[in-house]
Amino acid sequence: QKEVEQDPGPLSVPEGAIVSLNCTYSNSAFQYFMWYRQYSRKGPELLMYTYSSGNKEDGRFTAQVDKSSKYISLFIRDSQPSDSATYLCAMKDSGGYQKVTFGTGTKLQVIP
Amino acid sequence: GAVVSQHPSWVICKSGTSVKIECRSLDFQATTMFWYRQFPKQSLMLMATSNEGSKATYEQGVEKDKFLINHASLTLSTLTVTSAHPEDSSFYICSVRRPGDQPQHFGDGTRLSIL
Repeated sequence: QKEVEQDPGPLSVPEGAIVSLNCTYSNSAFQYFMWYRQYSRKGPELLMYTYSSGNKEDGRFTAQVDKSSKYISLFIRDSQPSDSATYLCAMKDSGGYQKVTFGTGTKLQVIP
Repeated sequence: GAVVSQHPSWVICKSGTSVKIECRSLDFQATTMFWYRQFPKQSLMLMATSNEGSKATYEQGVEKDKFLINHASLTLSTLTVTSAHPEDSSFYICSVRRPGDQPQHFGDGTRLSIL
């Protein structure tokens, strides 16, 4: 079993839709959770960074963490064609090394 | 603005050539930088952690003599792929992280194609 599971998609939605992206994990030592957006042939761009369980909102993006269920989500409201990209979840523990474990990414396409 | 600058963005070279990729931290002095490799439609795989002034820490299965890492200053780390072969063709990405429990910020990556 992988430490982090993420549905690879692809996920196609019409413009304006609410998008839900999810990851599950098995390592209870993970304390920090990140969502990155990666456009084709570019490096990942940090979207959200959270620590505690609950919700964190930034513009059209909301990150949700449920540590008891080992489940994290990213919601995108009013999705735009420019949101079309691959979304990677990532997580790490709080130890000294802090190696980051990435999901495989979900490819999102927002259709105009 | 950009936190990390990576150069070059794309390089094509012949088999047997050595290729150097630069990663610069633009915003702060980075004692630690990270090098990743990404194959098409796959996630990022950590290759090594670059430590300023000391030897890099390589992940299991990564050849130290093949992928040479030099972190000579607090803003620059380089990855040299020595005697590159077609199987080394990939997307190489570096990242930096501020001290403490901070997230990593990534460069735009280098697409390496070995003919």
